[in-house]
Amino acid sequence: QSVLTQPPSASGTPGQRVTISCSGSRSNIGTNTVNWYRLLPGTAPKLLIYRNDQRPSGVPDRFSGSKSGTSASLAISGLQSEDEADYYCAAWDDRLNGLAFGGGTKLTVL
Amino acid sequence: QVQLQESGPGLVKPSETLSLTCTVSSGSISSYYWTWIRQPPGKGLEWIGYIFSSGSSNYNPSLKSRVTMSVDTSKNRFSLKLSSVTAADTAVYYCARGEIVPYYNMEFWGKGTTVTVSS
Repeated sequence: QSVLTQPPSASGTPGQRVTISCSGSRSNIGTNTVNWYRLLPGTAPKLLIYRNDQRPSGVPDRFSGSKSGTSASLAISGLQSEDEADYYCAAWDDRLNGLAFGGGTKLTVL
Repeated sequence: QVQLQESGPGLVKPSETLSLTCTVSSGSISSYYWTWIRQPPGKGLEWIGYIFSSGSSNYNPSLKSRVTMSVDTSKNRFSLKLSSVTAADTAVYYCARGEIVPYYNMEFWGKGTTVTVSS
């Protein structure tokens, strides 16, 4: 069981906006910043959002992140077929003194 | 652009030690948190731990008794050893470069290497 909680699946049609949630506690999201990663089989994981809402260079502005209290979310607007992947949130956990991940959300583009 | 590449045996026998190396190219190994993460088949990501360029380390409490990490700054690489492996250690193992804790965002990753534990 993961320290951070994500829905196991999400879906949308091309052009739609989808949101993936990530719920934690005071010792992780409540205190520290959240990062989001995309995983595709056979490729290196990709950092999409760091420090809650910052985009690394090269990540389209279709991707946005937010945080409130002990929860965070990743929004993807203008959904494209290439966005079909697994998405993970992560945050440092002060109680565990380690990195906590969400269980991952499989995004399907219908 | 910083690149990371994992290397090591793809098959390890139960009770033996898994050993992986991550070679860093196009960037210095200094001043970052060099990290190992794994993904068992059909499961999510699991943080194994990190080693700082100075040699200090921090491991996942659930794996701490079996994990050793090291860094070789002269060769720009760092390593993972996981002892007494079982089938539960079968996974894709990734290395990554982490920014300062607790922000700890990881922009650069290796593509991952599959390790199977089987006799």
